[in-house]
Amino acid sequence: NAGVTQTPKFRVLKTGQSMTLLCAQDMNHEYMYWYRQDPGMGLRLIHYSVGEGTTAKGEVPDGYNVSRLKKQNFLLGLESAAPSQTSVYFCASSPQKVGTSGRSYNEQFFGPGTRLTVL
Amino acid sequence: DAKTTQPPSMDCAEGRAANLPCNHSTISGNEYVYWYRQIHSQGPQYIIHGLKNNETNEMASLIITEDRKSSTLILPHATLRDTAVYYCIVRRWGNAGNMLTFGGGTRLMVKP
Repeated sequence: NAGVTQTPKFRVLKTGQSMTLLCAQDMNHEYMYWYRQDPGMGLRLIHYSVGEGTTAKGEVPDGYNVSRLKKQNFLLGLESAAPSQTSVYFCASSPQKVGTSGRSYNEQFFGPGTRLTVL
Repeated sequence: DAKTTQPPSMDCAEGRAANLPCNHSTISGNEYVYWYRQIHSQGPQYIIHGLKNNETNEMASLIITEDRKSSTLILPHATLRDTAVYYCIVRRWGNAGNMLTFGGGTRLMVKP
């Protein structure tokens, strides 16, 4: 299993350009997430998906759009990139898992990240 | 969701146990305590989670106080590869799709 993969690994954009980040997972997980991490900060959730064809906003969704047309892929789009979107972007996926307590819990598997610079 | 408080940094000698504390005094009865870590430039990695009983797996042990207001992650024999930022997260159960909030974490430096 490749786990969670992200494409591309690095990208430099000019202000106003658009791009799409691709996240793929081969673990048949239901849930997928996009985070951003700014220098010295924790991760912040941008958007997430609880299944194929569904998406929802996270903590910092403005300026981003997402799509989950196939269960294994979760795309993050920047329509008009801004310098404030310079960050490292992480994708994650998680299965529906039930713990010993009989209740579901959230074990997320993360990709290696995409380092995006917007000039 | 309950907020968590962690020390910003800690040091540990290689081979010794690393004990990372977390305060979550406003935790509710339906919330788990999760621990993740992030090794430099990599994506975070799940370590362990617990509800009210102590938990152990191949990576670490999690000790949760009886009142559930604090917990300690224990790495029994820290190695240089355990140098990372460790995040303590509290989140309710029920929907595995619920988002996790990663705060500042504790930067653990394991020294030779």
